[in-house]
Amino acid sequence: SQQGEEDPQALSIQEGENATMNCSYKTSINNLQWYRQNSGRGLVHLILIRSNEREKHSGRLRVTLDTSKKSSSLLITASRAADTASYFCATDPNTGNQFYFGTGTSLTVIP
Amino acid sequence: DGGITQSPKYLFRKEGQNVTLSCEQNLNHDAMYWYRQDPGQGLRLIYYSQIVNDFQKGDIAEGYSVSREKKESFPLTVTSAQKNPTAFYLCASSPTSGGPTGELFFGEGSRLTVL
Repeated sequence: SQQGEEDPQALSIQEGENATMNCSYKTSINNLQWYRQNSGRGLVHLILIRSNEREKHSGRLRVTLDTSKKSSSLLITASRAADTASYFCATDPNTGNQFYFGTGTSLTVIP
Repeated sequence: DGGITQSPKYLFRKEGQNVTLSCEQNLNHDAMYWYRQDPGQGLRLIYYSQIVNDFQKGDIAEGYSVSREKKESFPLTVTSAQKNPTAFYLCASSPTSGGPTGELFFGEGSRLTVL
């Protein structure tokens, strides 16, 4: 399977703390994206990082990409209760026409 | 508002029945996708379409069928041949038809339960 894997599977933190989740994948990619999913809802795009980029910021989000290790991390700073959701990474390999999603990290932010 | 609409949100099916899930988008996107999500798992691709009247199988196409007669519509039929159809189904679209270089826009999902 070309599906990526997120680590940890579940994460519980206090409001105001930072949350870090990691994604590993198996093949060379064009870009990597992070999505958020609230329980029972569709996914919402958070951020995209291209294979020639190493770091990207968007508001309280910081994404890094290490293509040599085939891994990415998503950092959410100053977390809020509303950040409680599942977070997925998605990659599009150099070959093929589809995205591959990881297994997700379930984040719980305790008020 | 522009977006993707999936219906129904909840659907119950008896074993042996075919059901069709609707997906409509008004974003003028070329590409559309159907994913299946099982509890605690990531999304797995069922079918995708990059242009009207054309579609390709994803990783788990067996027991499913699709059509793409209009740019804005990409219905998914779950047939009786699908052995374990109970799942959360997500439809998505993307503005690029030459390959996934941009973000996916998702609908709110349809939850299918087989009784």
